[in-house]
Amino acid sequence: EAEVAQSPRYKITEKSQAVAFWCDPISGHATLYWYRQILGQGPELLVQFQDESVVDDSQLPKDRFSAERLKGVDSTLKIQPAELGDSAMYLCASSLGLGLSTDTQYFGPGTRLTVL
Amino acid sequence: GNSVTQMEGPVTLSEEAFLTINCTYTATGYPSLFWYVQYPGEGLQLLLKATKADDKGSNKGFEATYRKETTSFHLEKGSVQVSDSAVYFCALTPNAGGTSYGKLTFGQGTILTVHP
Repeated sequence: EAEVAQSPRYKITEKSQAVAFWCDPISGHATLYWYRQILGQGPELLVQFQDESVVDDSQLPKDRFSAERLKGVDSTLKIQPAELGDSAMYLCASSLGLGLSTDTQYFGPGTRLTVL
Repeated sequence: GNSVTQMEGPVTLSEEAFLTINCTYTATGYPSLFWYVQYPGEGLQLLLKATKADDKGSNKGFEATYRKETTSFHLEKGSVQVSDSAVYFCALTPNAGGTSYGKLTFGQGTILTVHP
């Protein structure tokens, strides 16, 4: 069964350092999402791509976060500089992107970030 | 804006007990409703969904009915197993078009622990 791949699974960094996360969606999925999940809370959307275009980045802290999906396939989320409050699980999800109510999002295993 | 409210956890049950996790939502129009499950150390998995009023989603013995009149989507299972121990998230996506289409809004999650 096809899965969403993410790496690394765990990342420990010091504040003010730069970090990057990678996501490879299920083949053929046009829509890609990055969510942040703070411990004890539900995930919150950071950015949504349709192919290589950003559809929604209204919750992305653009002063330090950036995301790209240059060829409309895999994606990178970067934080520079990292702050203590960025410690969280970063989840990537993908969907076919057909714009239908049956369009299911499939999640990767996530990257657990700890900022010291 | 859209929001999802889940019952406070954690929930602790004995094996074969009946499970209910309450979920209510606030949204304009007719959103699609979902239950996701997160096992320890893993990403989110779709458990079930319903896309219109009075629809019943079901999977692995779990059920939830889309109640428009009470804006609810409560999760139920008649007999839980130890393997059901996980965090359960209720979520919605708007069914209308626009840039918010596909964006999942999650509740805070409910931790379920089932003892033998």
